[in-house]
Amino acid sequence: EAQVTQNPRYLITVTGKKLTVTCSQNMNHEYMSWYRQDPGLGLRQIYYSMNVEVTDKGDVPEGYKVSRKEKRNFPLILESPSPNQTSLYFCASSQGRMTYGYTFGSGTRLTVV
Amino acid sequence: AQSVTQLDSQVPVFEEAPVELRCNYSSSVSVYLFWYVQYPNQGLQLLLKYLSGSTLVKGINGFEAEFNKSQTSFHLRKPSVHISDTAEYFCAVSPFDTDKLIFGTGTRLQVFP
Repeated sequence: EAQVTQNPRYLITVTGKKLTVTCSQNMNHEYMSWYRQDPGLGLRQIYYSMNVEVTDKGDVPEGYKVSRKEKRNFPLILESPSPNQTSLYFCASSQGRMTYGYTFGSGTRLTVV
Repeated sequence: AQSVTQLDSQVPVFEEAPVELRCNYSSSVSVYLFWYVQYPNQGLQLLLKYLSGSTLVKGINGFEAEFNKSQTSFHLRKPSVHISDTAEYFCAVSPFDTDKLIFGTGTRLQVFP
């Protein structure tokens, strides 16, 4: 089944403790992206990647890092999480040029205390 | 730059009634248009998209949307809603020849029996 898999689904952590949210897609998509969803703000793009070793900032990149060493994986790294990063995170992938739209993962609900 | 405005944050409606969820966008370049649905505790699923051609687009679950270039709108409609349509709906645009997807803030559709 074609899908984007995120792990974990739920995560509670403490301020300053580094964490990684994994994202993997099995559709051989070149384009991958991370979004965060907050009430009243919709989805905002954090980082995106157009191919292996090619990443760029989205609209809200502060406090996040990403890497794209393999085509299928696009992990999101929070080096020193803070409470304002408490949010619902989505990974998405696309075949390219948006004619097919994005395929989204099921989401990761992160709470930073 | 592009922006998407979803004029209603919440739309309550009774089962079997018609519904329209409004979406307006602003862009200096041509865009593709999308509607996504997010059911409770799930990721986003593509409902329908407008790329070119007929301005009336039919999607899954009986939804349709009409692209109006002069009014820069892409309103979503369904003639008769079901309880199972209760979800959050996001309008999004993507500028031609990019992989960027810009979302509105979402409309929560609540269907009552």
